[in-house]
Amino acid sequence: GAVVSQHPSRVICKSGTSVKIECRSLDFQATTMFWYRQFPKQSLMLMATSNEGSKATYEQGVEKDKFLINHASLTLSTLTVTSAHPEDSSFYICSATGQGHNEQFFGPGTRLTVL
Amino acid sequence: GESVGLHLPTLSVQEGDNSIINCAYSNSASDYFIWYKQESGKGPQFIIDIRSNMDKRQGQRVTVLLNKTVKHLSLQIAATQPGDSAVYFCAEKDGSSYKLIFGSGTRLLVRP
Repeated sequence: GAVVSQHPSRVICKSGTSVKIECRSLDFQATTMFWYRQFPKQSLMLMATSNEGSKATYEQGVEKDKFLINHASLTLSTLTVTSAHPEDSSFYICSATGQGHNEQFFGPGTRLTVL
Repeated sequence: GESVGLHLPTLSVQEGDNSIINCAYSNSASDYFIWYKQESGKGPQFIIDIRSNMDKRQGQRVTVLLNKTVKHLSLQIAATQPGDSAVYFCAEKDGSSYKLIFGSGTRLLVRP
C-alpha cells in the first residue's frame, strides 16, 4: 500500500514555457503533499507543502509565482513550473502523507530539462 | 540553521561485508529519524525509522542506531549485496514540525 505516482517521469521543454507535474496518491487519501527539488549529487530540498483545499506553504527562497502548487483533491497535487529556464532543470519529487501518519511516501520523481 | 550532515560522502564495501553509514544531526528537538535509499533516477525508498525513545531498531538486514547524547544516527547493512548500491539519506523530524530535513547523502558502492 501507500503508493505515490508522478507524471510525467521525464519532460523536456523550451525556455519560457510552463510545465505541469502531477503527483497522485493511489491508495490512500493524502491530506498533505510535499514537493522537493533535487539537483545532481545533492540532497532533497523541500520547496513547499500543500494541504488539500488550502494554499501551499513555500519554503524560504522558493518563488510562489514561479512554482504554482495546487492540491485540489485528497489524491492529487500539481506543481507548475512557469516560464521555465535552464536553471530550473532538476529532479522534482513529491511525497504524501495521510492523516495521523508520520511517514511520507515518495513518488518516483520527474526529471525536468529546460533547453 | 539546523541541518543534518553525514561524515562520508562515498562508502565502498566488498560484497558480503557489513556496511555502516553515519549521520550527524544538530536539532536536539528531533524525535523521529528515517533512513532512505535512493537509486539513480528514482525517488527515495523508505528503509527503516526510529523514534527518539529508542536507541536501536532492527529490520531485515538493516539496523538503525540512535545516540541522542552525541546526536548521531547510523545505518548498518548486514551482508551487503550489489543491489544495496545506492545513495542513502538520513532524515529527521521534530514533533513540532511537519517537515523532514534531509542529510547530504552517502553513496554506497558494493564491489563484487
